[in-house]
Amino acid sequence: NAGVTQTPKFQVLKTGQSMTLQCAQDMNHNSMYWYRQDPGMGLRLIYYSASEGTTDKGEVPNGYNVSRLNKREFSLRLESAAPSQTSVYFCASTETAFLAGNTIYFGEGSWLTVV
Amino acid sequence: KQEVTQIPAALSVPEGENLVLNCSFTDSAIYNLQWFRQDPGKGLTSLLLIQSSQREQTSGRLNASLDKSSGRSTLYIAASQPGDSATYLCAVLRGSNYQLIWGAGTKLIIKP
Repeated sequence: NAGVTQTPKFQVLKTGQSMTLQCAQDMNHNSMYWYRQDPGMGLRLIYYSASEGTTDKGEVPNGYNVSRLNKREFSLRLESAAPSQTSVYFCASTETAFLAGNTIYFGEGSWLTVV
Repeated sequence: KQEVTQIPAALSVPEGENLVLNCSFTDSAIYNLQWFRQDPGKGLTSLLLIQSSQREQTSGRLNASLDKSSGRSTLYIAASQPGDSATYLCAVLRGSNYQLIWGAGTKLIIKP
């Protein structure tokens, strides 16, 4: 009954370090997403994968890369972390693309601080 | 550019009251609108989804309405309970791509 699982939950990085946020879903969903949430702002889409084998940029992709490893897993990589990337990151999934009006399921978030 | 606004940013009411949360959007060309709940330290949970052709959706004590022409949606919570305390976010789906456009949320506190 896991749904969407993200790791790690908390991470502190120094400026310039790299790291990868992992996400896995066990609902056999085709589409997966990475968002960031900053205080006083709505969630912003970083990257999404409409189906296995495809990835596309969202609203704020700069400084990030993604990999759709297989149908279950979608990772987000920060190659050279910057303080502006301090945020809460959420992975999400839907059965198919949004236009079908599917319910979107979220992970519990990853709190990332870049010092 | 689509913008989604939720006012107020925070709301505190006594238990048992009926309340309304507001969501406004600038572009009426939406595919659907969704309401979510976010508990502290947790992810978001979908509450209600209203397709652009619909006027409202209901789930238990929750009722969400949509008025595309005025760019507004409301989430009505009946007989509020302390367990309803959370941040409530609305998001609209643009028909042209896969992007949900999010409001910043209303933090709701229900006082026992």
